[in-house]
Amino acid sequence: DAGITQSPRYKITETGRQVTLMCHQTWSHSYMFWYRQDLGHGLRLIYYSAAADITDKGEVPDGYVVSRSKTENFPLTLESATRSQTSVYFCASTGQGRGEQFFGPGTRLTVL
Amino acid sequence: AQKVTQAQTEISVVEKEDVTLDCVYETRDTTYYLFWYKQPPSGELVFLIRRNSFDEQNEISGRYSWNFQKSTSSFNFTITASQVVDSAVYFCALSERGRDDKIIFGKGTRLHILP
Repeated sequence: DAGITQSPRYKITETGRQVTLMCHQTWSHSYMFWYRQDLGHGLRLIYYSAAADITDKGEVPDGYVVSRSKTENFPLTLESATRSQTSVYFCASTGQGRGEQFFGPGTRLTVL
Repeated sequence: AQKVTQAQTEISVVEKEDVTLDCVYETRDTTYYLFWYKQPPSGELVFLIRRNSFDEQNEISGRYSWNFQKSTSSFNFTITASQVVDSAVYFCALSERGRDDKIIFGKGTRLHILP
């Protein structure tokens, strides 16, 4: 299907485990982003990528790792999950010069 | 520095009333984009509108309208004859020209439309 998808949609894990959230877009957008959404904090940028093999930190990168070997995929890894990483994670993408970002459906992650 | 302020954290109105969501922004750039997004209870983020800084014309789309005023650095969103389906969190956002790597979101306004 065209658009931007995230998997899994829901995930429960335990403290200390590694978790990878997947993001896939079919528009060939150059830019991709990961946000987390928490009550009281709105949307906060974790990492973003301008193109394959180019990534950069956002506002709250600690505890997260990203990679982008292909334009269409942008996985987010929590190397050792902590309870504070319980959140809803959104992936987004945008084409060059457009500005507006298009969001995936989100992944609700719970760390016990 | 860029900043987006949505002073109204939560608003409740009765169905069919008009409601305006305020958005005030700060930027040093002369070329920038403003956006509104809707997040219904189902959780997805839906893009509503983009406006560039050179176009101050108000925009109307059905019951939705947007008022962009550079003089007051505001980009307000009005819903006319509100409906229960309009209940959502609405986010205002800003990006500067050529800065595809950065879009700043306001904290959002939670809108409750009461039947």
